[in-house]
Amino acid sequence: AQKVTQAQTEISVVEKEDVTLDCVYETRDTTYYLFWYKQPPSGELVFLIRRNSFDEQNEISGRYSWNFQKSTSSFNFTITASQVVDSAVYFCALSTPNSGYALNFGKGTSLLVTP
Amino acid sequence: ETGVTQTPRHLVMGMTNKKSLKCEQHLGHNAMYWYKQSAKKPLELMFVYSLEERVENNSVPSRFSPECPNSSHLFLHLHTLQPEDSALYLCASSLTSGVEADTQYFGPGTRLTVL
Repeated sequence: AQKVTQAQTEISVVEKEDVTLDCVYETRDTTYYLFWYKQPPSGELVFLIRRNSFDEQNEISGRYSWNFQKSTSSFNFTITASQVVDSAVYFCALSTPNSGYALNFGKGTSLLVTP
Repeated sequence: ETGVTQTPRHLVMGMTNKKSLKCEQHLGHNAMYWYKQSAKKPLELMFVYSLEERVENNSVPSRFSPECPNSSHLFLHLHTLQPEDSALYLCASSLTSGVEADTQYFGPGTRLTVL
């Protein structure tokens, strides 16, 4: 069975704080893909990152960074020096061959960044 | 120009109405998807089309009827809906479906309210 857990339902931080959004996944497939999407109030899901199971290198893109740990089945997302524009719902998703590569989303974490 | 567009952005309909949602992608992709996003629930995959053929239907009620006339356009025809069908309906596209974990790109969604 494929499952994605985002245990943090809501997080509130003050601007310039760092914040980490947790994502834990379950799958029996050895090949799989992990994604993060951002959903601002406008509604559109914005793609942030795609990572396959064979690439455990952490990635940094500006203020965004991702920590992939196969040993703990986690793919956490950190925003450094958060800004008000980072306020959104963030979704982690899992895709596996056995699911026909369909996206299996977590329930999302709502991030509020206040001035 | 945004890659995936959806119209209308907002729709209010009665339970006896018939309406259609439209999605268009300008990315040259071969797969298109309909998702339903209800409050407090994970995104639910409704339909998948690959090269204009439906490849997945996740037990969606027959009051939702998809149509994919070509690889750039996707419709969701609605009839005799229920109030619990009120949700954000998101369209997405990807290069392929079921072959690789291609990144899905989403439209802004249609906010549907059924009275």
